[in-house]
Amino acid sequence: EVQLVESGGGLVQPGGSLRLSCAASGFTFSTYSMNWVRQAPGKGLEWVSFINSRTSTIYYADSVKGRFTISRDNAKNSLYLQMNSLRTEDTAVYYCARWGYDSLDYWGQGTLVTVSS
Amino acid sequence: QSVLTQSPSASGTPGQRVTISCSGSSSNIGSNTVNWYQQLPGTAPKLLINNNNERPSGVPDRFSGSKSGTSASLAISGLQSEDEADYYCAAWDDSLNGVVFGGGTKLTVL
Repeated sequence: EVQLVESGGGLVQPGGSLRLSCAASGFTFSTYSMNWVRQAPGKGLEWVSFINSRTSTIYYADSVKGRFTISRDNAKNSLYLQMNSLRTEDTAVYYCARWGYDSLDYWGQGTLVTVSS
Repeated sequence: QSVLTQSPSASGTPGQRVTISCSGSSSNIGSNTVNWYQQLPGTAPKLLINNNNERPSGVPDRFSGSKSGTSASLAISGLQSEDEADYYCAAWDDSLNGVVFGGGTKLTVL
């Protein structure tokens, strides 16, 4: 069974940093591209970042470019999102999602990031 | 403002057929496959339709998808109360190099 479990969310002040993790199991993590998607309270889904299986291709949404860094450790079956210079508008539930069959085919349960003073 | 355009709401009575539409452009729906996601209240999104019209294992055949040009639609037949959820369309965008979503359609079962 495919499982994605996010962690690392919490309350942080504007300008601060946070590192999210996503632990993957139930599939061969090293062969799949992965994504981060977020959802602000009461709002729709917003794609954040993509990383391919070998880390040779990485993309970011314009809203986070230069502030967020996606990475992965295939030996640890883990995906990460380093978030720096956080803004109040970054407040959201952050989901990791597997890229399979040209879709976000499996999602984690999400971790809440709140940016507030 | 979302890159893909969806009506914010839809409704129907049990047993009815409901259609949700999604409009995009040549850089997303026009050149890539469309996926639909269902988000039940308080839960993570779940893949409902991939590759325009394919249902992942476990998705009832009451759900169907179609695509034509730069538009797509999701149809739900035999509407049930448990179908009450938010539905999002999405596609890869070749210009933005990322996934773009519709703003979501809140489906109410009356």
